[in-house]
Amino acid sequence: GAVVSQHPSRVICKSGTSVKIECRSLDFQATTMFWYRQFPKKSLMLMATSNEGSKATYEQGVEKDKFLINHASLTLSTLTVTSAHPEDSSFYICSAKRGYKETQYFGPGTRLLVL
Amino acid sequence: RKEVEQDPGPFNVPEGATVAFNCTYSNSASQSFFWYRQDCRKEPKLLMSVYSSGNEDGRFTAQLNRASQYISLLIRDSKLSDSATYLCVVNGGLGNTPLVFGKGTRLSVIA
Repeated sequence: GAVVSQHPSRVICKSGTSVKIECRSLDFQATTMFWYRQFPKKSLMLMATSNEGSKATYEQGVEKDKFLINHASLTLSTLTVTSAHPEDSSFYICSAKRGYKETQYFGPGTRLLVL
Repeated sequence: RKEVEQDPGPFNVPEGATVAFNCTYSNSASQSFFWYRQDCRKEPKLLMSVYSSGNEDGRFTAQLNRASQYISLLIRDSKLSDSATYLCVVNGGLGNTPLVFGKGTRLSVIA
């Protein structure tokens, strides 16, 4: 299957700082990338849909000014958690797909811990 | 009504057992259906797509009933390595719609 990478895999930061997470499709061009968040023992929740070259579409309840998404190329999308707080601590996972019928492939996820 | 509902589990079964998971979805416009597997503290990984005619991949069989908006996954001859959370996943309809995940069903296969 297709390969999607995320960086970093784990990050610990102080409250109030900003954290950038990168998602890359390594062997294909992703027309669309998705960002999810998963709290312990909870289901994956979609945060936003990111299309290359256009603004991300955020799900209801997700603050676009807090979770900045940039999809500058067909192989890279970034999520920046601005002014992170302890309640933002979670498992952030991106996924990517080639076309609208294609399966989504997930990155390995980034564990964020905000102290 | 939640978009994708699954058996809550957990399912604790002995090695070699057959286990079935059920899932219902609310969006009749959904076009694509999948089962993903998620191991503890890992990302979801595609187990198999689900087709209207039903499909099999080794010990795994998936069925789809569009009329009832029902999806199932059958695992035969369970292995210890099958222990994971199984996620029922559907897309939101035609076009570039995101996937909607069920909460997952936890399976523990016991020696």
